[in-house]
Amino acid sequence: GAVVSQHPSWVICKSGTSVKIECRSLDFQATTMFWYRQFPKQSLMLMATSNEGSKATYEQGVEKDKFLINHASLTLSTLTVTSAHPEDSSFYICSANPTHKNTDTQYFGPGTRLTVL
Amino acid sequence: QQPVQSPQAVILREGEDAVINCSSSKALYSVHWYRQKHGEAPVFLMILLKGGEQKGHEKISASFNEKKQQSSLYLTASQLSYSGTYFCGTAFFAGGTSYGKLTFGQGTILTVHP
Repeated sequence: GAVVSQHPSWVICKSGTSVKIECRSLDFQATTMFWYRQFPKQSLMLMATSNEGSKATYEQGVEKDKFLINHASLTLSTLTVTSAHPEDSSFYICSANPTHKNTDTQYFGPGTRLTVL
Repeated sequence: QQPVQSPQAVILREGEDAVINCSSSKALYSVHWYRQKHGEAPVFLMILLKGGEQKGHEKISASFNEKKQQSSLYLTASQLSYSGTYFCGTAFFAGGTSYGKLTFGQGTILTVHP
């Protein structure tokens, strides 16, 4: 149980284009999902908290107009990197917090490696 | 505020033991331990809630000292599969929209050699 999927697993795009990453909880509902980015050999840095049916909460320093988050259902959250630039290249990981468990345990997706040329 | 993990790296031979610590300067509600293999997502190991509990999972166990705001992860009789980067994630009970948000330590790289 507690499986989270991400799509795509990797993407290469040209500078200036937009990229959408999907995060799905496959066998549970998640009112809350989280988006992280991770640079090589570094820790997980929280970008934003995605709440179903409401606006996402962004961490300090994260541009909400650049990283658009939509949490349209209890099993799907999407992150769109708009007008991507080489400095946006990173490993993006989502996690989901099972609504029914009433704890703050997070289950992570497999990650999406974004390379912007 | 990011918790501090120690040590930064550990090198072991199969069968040896290791302890990884996670300390916070802020009162903790819960501590979560994850292991991440290179290029993969973190895998949940266990959660400890405030109350000073200790948990075990096969040969991996952990404790949570509420007074010291510190958690320790114990790996006994290490196996090659234990290699990876271990992260602790801490939650500060604030209620409301902060519920569920974790702040991760910088990670501890564990390498197990045959």
